[in-house]
Amino acid sequence: AQSVTQLDSQVPVFEEAPVELRCNYSSSVSVYLFWYVQYPNQGLQLLLKYLSGSTLVKSINGFEAEFNKSQTSFHLRKPSVHISDTAEYFCAVSFSGGSNYKLTFGKGTLLTVNP
Amino acid sequence: GAVVSQHPSWVICKSGTSVKIECRSLDFQATTMFWYRQFPKQSLMLMATSNEGSKATYEQGVEKDKFLINHASLTLSTLTVTSAHPEDSSFYICSARAHQGARTEAFFGQGTRLTVV
Repeated sequence: AQSVTQLDSQVPVFEEAPVELRCNYSSSVSVYLFWYVQYPNQGLQLLLKYLSGSTLVKSINGFEAEFNKSQTSFHLRKPSVHISDTAEYFCAVSFSGGSNYKLTFGKGTLLTVNP
Repeated sequence: GAVVSQHPSWVICKSGTSVKIECRSLDFQATTMFWYRQFPKQSLMLMATSNEGSKATYEQGVEKDKFLINHASLTLSTLTVTSAHPEDSSFYICSARAHQGARTEAFFGQGTRLTVV
């Protein structure tokens, strides 16, 4: 069965500290990987994605994620977080060959950045 | 990125009534739209997938007669919660894709908070 696991439900950090949000997936077929961010009572915004090519992908606001095929992971990192990064982060996977290529989401990680 | 507009953003209705939620792609044609349900502090659960002009495909365990989905045009999909009950209270989110294929980004609406009293 194909699945997505976000190992941490909550990650509290202090402002300007580094952070890593973990995501692992299970699949027997090729995958496409996404990180979405959700602010309270809002929809999801795409943060970054891996489709092919370079395994390290970056967002415009300092986040980056690396696709590791051998470890089936796509961890999200930021070297220095801001208060405004406080939000829920979802890892999502689209499995090639799947019907309509629908997204399967992890359970989410609540990142709380404290002053 | 492209814009997906969801309306209303919140709604309160009485038990037994029906509620319609609209999802519009404002600047692109959405061949596929997805409807999700999100419980507090939990992930998004896919309810159904709809392609323009055809019947929606529902996920296992989702009552198709209760959650009616219509995708009549390339820019509009609607979700109607029929005979709503308090347990239907939730955050409903739609997303839309311009083309089929896993590489195509899905854009999300801002969500609708439904409260059934």
